[in-house]
Amino acid sequence: AQSVTQLDSQVPVFEEAPVELRCNYSSSVSVYLFWYVQYPNQGLQLLLKYLSGSTLVKSINGFEAEFNKSQTSFHLRKPSVHISDTAEYFCAVKENAGNMLTFGGGTRLMVKP
Amino acid sequence: DTEVTQTPKHLVMGMTNKKSLKCEQHMGHRAMYWYKQKAKKPPELMFVYSYEKLSINESVPSRFSPECPNSSLLNLHLHALQPEDSALYLCASSQVGRGGQETQYFGPGTRLLVL
Repeated sequence: AQSVTQLDSQVPVFEEAPVELRCNYSSSVSVYLFWYVQYPNQGLQLLLKYLSGSTLVKSINGFEAEFNKSQTSFHLRKPSVHISDTAEYFCAVKENAGNMLTFGGGTRLMVKP
Repeated sequence: DTEVTQTPKHLVMGMTNKKSLKCEQHMGHRAMYWYKQKAKKPPELMFVYSYEKLSINESVPSRFSPECPNSSLLNLHLHALQPEDSALYLCASSQVGRGGQETQYFGPGTRLLVL
């Protein structure tokens, strides 16, 4: 069975500072990796995903994540955050067979002016 | 277009009421999902439909009854709910049979309050 750990439940950061949200997973088989973002009172939006190919994946709003197989990690980074990035971020993994997602506990990113 | 729509956006119901949540997608996805999300927690999978057939039921109480009338629609019928069932109910959809590379797209959710 797979599991996902998001080590930080909350990450406070000042506007325009860099941020890293950590995600580690465990699985006995190959996995696909996802980051979803949930803004207050909204559903989940897909932020970025790693399925194959380049281990560095990027979103249109400046976030990026790197799949590190040896460290079983998929950390999310942004070099300069905005107030509008304040949200809950969920890391999720899916084994290469089946269609079930396993979510981490979530990290609340709080961007302060 | 990666849009999944859900209605209603908010729902308040008593413990003796019967209500339904509705989810719709027009992306040609043949897998649809219901999740329950409590505050400050990740979504928990409830049901999965694949090609309009129920494929996964995560031991959900019978007061929740899913229905997939066609490939674009997914309903969740609610009856005799308890206050602890108050939560955000999320619908998602994905393709099927892409060698595991199916990506789930979520709707905005229905926020349910059971009094």
